[in-house]
Amino acid sequence: AIQMTQSPSSLSASVGDRVTITCRASQGIRNDLGWYQQKPGKAPKLLIYAASTLQSGVPSRFSGSGSGTDFTLTISSLQPEDFATYYCLQDYNYPWTFGQGTKVEIK
Amino acid sequence: QVQLVQSGAEVKKPGASVKVSCKASGYTFTNYYIHWVRQAPGQGLEWMGIINPNGAGTTYAQRFQGRVTMTRDTSTNTVYMELSSLSSEDTALYYCARRVVVASTAALDMWGQGTLVTVSS
Repeated sequence: AIQMTQSPSSLSASVGDRVTITCRASQGIRNDLGWYQQKPGKAPKLLIYAASTLQSGVPSRFSGSGSGTDFTLTISSLQPEDFATYYCLQDYNYPWTFGQGTKVEIK
Repeated sequence: QVQLVQSGAEVKKPGASVKVSCKASGYTFTNYYIHWVRQAPGQGLEWMGIINPNGAGTTYAQRFQGRVTMTRDTSTNTVYMELSSLSSEDTALYYCARRVVVASTAALDMWGQGTLVTVSS
């Protein structure tokens, strides 16, 4: 199975900060990667698919990049509603695998 | 509107089985695969498997092979995930999610609300 290594596992940031989360695949996965946001007690929500395509309705401050093995999720200006846990998910092959998650906390 | 509604919380004893349902509405049921993902308390997301509602083909994660069965009922637009030989390690929130395919890639664009399964003696 493809291993997805996500970093950092947690970070503290302030409103307005630029935040970057990375995900590394154990083998090349083209651009078959999505990013999901999960708030406490809620189901995950799709933010980005195909590594860099913004899901409809997701604010433009979220962006994704990367291809092959290295991927990045960037929040250009952190908003109060962005404090959550973020996961990457590879859909290159089965079994699909998630990164360990990054908890974004208020500084 | 498009939604996936899951069955309610379950409490099971070790060794028992649990069957969780996921009822789809607002779209053509047989056009979208359904995935199952679980999340143990305070832990990350774990992919369990997938079912194709059109034909019922399945793929399961290796660690659940032999213990998980995913089925569907096209008359009620419902998919089911049954997990057997439960242990305390299976205590988790179980989610169903709809897979969309866009430009040769895929994603999970709609999720159920989750079903808490508690395994306790």
